[in-house]
Order: sequence, then structure tokens, then C-alpha cells
Amino acid sequence: AQTVTQSQPEMSVQEAETVTLSCTYDTSESDYYLFWYKQPPSRQMILVIRQEAYKQQNATENRFSVNFQKAAKSFSLKISDSQLGDAAMYFCAYRSHNTDKLIFGTGTRLQVFP
Amino acid sequence: DVKVTQSSRYLVKRTGEKVFLECVQDMDHENMFWYRQDPGLGLRLIYFSYDVKMKEKGDIPEGYSVSREKKERFSLILESASTNQTSMYLCASTPRGTVADTQYFGPGTRLTVL
Repeated sequence: AQTVTQSQPEMSVQEAETVTLSCTYDTSESDYYLFWYKQPPSRQMILVIRQEAYKQQNATENRFSVNFQKAAKSFSLKISDSQLGDAAMYFCAYRSHNTDKLIFGTGTRLQVFP
Repeated sequence: DVKVTQSSRYLVKRTGEKVFLECVQDMDHENMFWYRQDPGLGLRLIYFSYDVKMKEKGDIPEGYSVSREKKERFSLILESASTNQTSMYLCASTPRGTVADTQYFGPGTRLTVL
């Protein structure tokens, strides 16, 4: 069975600085998708970024980028130029290519200090 | 914009009560999901449905049932609420079979069972 591990329960960053959130996963599959979700204090979960495993190029969405290391089964999220609005719970998630179900990590709470 | 709504943001029930949590999505999505979110455990899948009247157990179905009579509505039922079902419940939906599409989440229902 696939598992997703987020080893950092909490992280903090100064405004305008860069922070990296870690995620590792375990799977025997070669075709899958990885996601980072953000859950602000208001609780509505939204997608931050996604990565298809067959793509070697790391996904980027504005200030958010990932470092996808397929062999190491690592999928970290880098937030550049951190803003106060980035403060939230961040969840890493895995989805196999042949299912619509997601497997989530336990989350990382990110605090952003002015 | 996809909209997923949940019937209540906060709910307080007593042990042994029958509890209904309602979720409605307005984008004609085939798949709908119920998760519970607990600190340190992330999101865990309770049940999901890939079509009207179809359902499949997730990772923690014990103590829950679901109903999907219409495509847009997915209900989670606690037949006899217990204190260990105190949690945040999140509903999500997604179109079936789309490559790497995100799940769209509702705002969540914070359920307290006394």
C-alpha cells in the first residue's frame, strides 16, 4: 500500500524568505500523481501544485515550486518570497494513475512571521 | 468556479444520536468523497462514491454509512454517534477519470459529540 510521510509537523519562516516543506512517499508504481494542498485557517482546502510522475521537469506555480526526486521518492515544496497569507496547513498527497482516490500525509503547519 | 458546500460549519450532538452530514457540489462531478481530519493524522478517507447509488469503503468506514441518491449530493451518516467521532469532516468532489485533476473541497464540518 502507498504511504505519504510529512516529517515536519510545524515550520516557520520570515516574510519574504524561502521555506521548503518535505514530503516522502512509498509506492511500487511507476505512474502516479503528486499534489500539495493548502488549508488556511478558514479550512477550505485548495490545490497549490501538482506533479505527474512521468514528467521529469519540476512543476512551478508562481512562488511555489517542487523538487521531485522520483528515485528517492521525495516531493518537497518550496515557497519563495513567503507572504503572511501563506500561513496554513500544507498537505502532500499521492494518487495512483488508476484511481481517483488520494492518500494524504499528516500535514505541516507553516507559520509566517512579519 | 466549482463549489462544494457542506450543510453545517459546526455541529454539536450527543452520544447515540443519528447524525447526517450533507455535501452538495454544483459541477456535475461523478466522484465524491468523505474524509475526516484529525491533528497528527491528516485526512483519512471514510467513503467515496463514483456514481449515483454507488459507494465504496475507504480506509476508516466503521461507524459510518453514506447515501448518494442524486449526483450532486453525498451524505455521511453516523448511525449512533460516539465521542471518538468528534472530528473535522471534509467533503470533496472530482470529475471521474480526468488526468491529475484536483479534488475540490468543501469548507468542512466541525462535529463535536458529547
